[in-house]
Amino acid sequence: GENVEQHPSTLSVQEGDSAVIKCTYSDSASNYFPWYKQELGKRPQLIIDIRSNVGEKKDQRIAVTLNKTAKHFSLHITETQPEDSAVYFCAASKNSGYSTLTFGKGTMLLVSP
Amino acid sequence: GAVVSQHPSRVICKSGTSVKIECRSLDFQATTMFWYRQFPKQSLMLMATSNEGSKATYEQGVEKDKFLINHASLTLSTLTVTSAHPEDSSFYICSASDRGYSNQPQHFGDGTRLSIL
Repeated sequence: GENVEQHPSTLSVQEGDSAVIKCTYSDSASNYFPWYKQELGKRPQLIIDIRSNVGEKKDQRIAVTLNKTAKHFSLHITETQPEDSAVYFCAASKNSGYSTLTFGKGTMLLVSP
Repeated sequence: GAVVSQHPSRVICKSGTSVKIECRSLDFQATTMFWYRQFPKQSLMLMATSNEGSKATYEQGVEKDKFLINHASLTLSTLTVTSAHPEDSSFYICSASDRGYSNQPQHFGDGTRLSIL
């Protein structure tokens, strides 16, 4: 089955700095890669996703890059703010809707004012 | 947008009690729903995939007789934790996919915090 590795497990940055979280996956058949932000005790919230036919996607301060050959994808957050502090999970699946999501172990991002 | 309602949000009960958690898609039909478990400071682990009108598919290591899943309609799936014990205490989250839009992301419920005393 799919295996998703995520690094780092914790990341501390100063407000205004950039943050990068990296994930690798094992199953070459995976074609959908979402990123979730989860605050304590709440549901995971989809913040951005990318499909295998695209190499990069950007939404304001958030961007995701995908390297299919190397089987890795990354989340980039620029101009970080304290409210970006949360746990971020990457995931992979063969189809966004009906297929199971395999999650990484998560990255706790702490943005200090 | 698509909304998934999960109920209850919090359960505290004695060891040996059975607990039922409901997951409803409010404004769409969900052929497939997923049940995840999340222990403190850990990731979401898929427990089972619930398919409307058929038996659920359980992940390896998940006891199907302990975690009963029923998906009797296109808008409701239930997870029953039978004879719950303290080690079953966890955060349980469901997600659902819209049958009409298979390429759209899954929609997550708010989760159920289960605490077994």
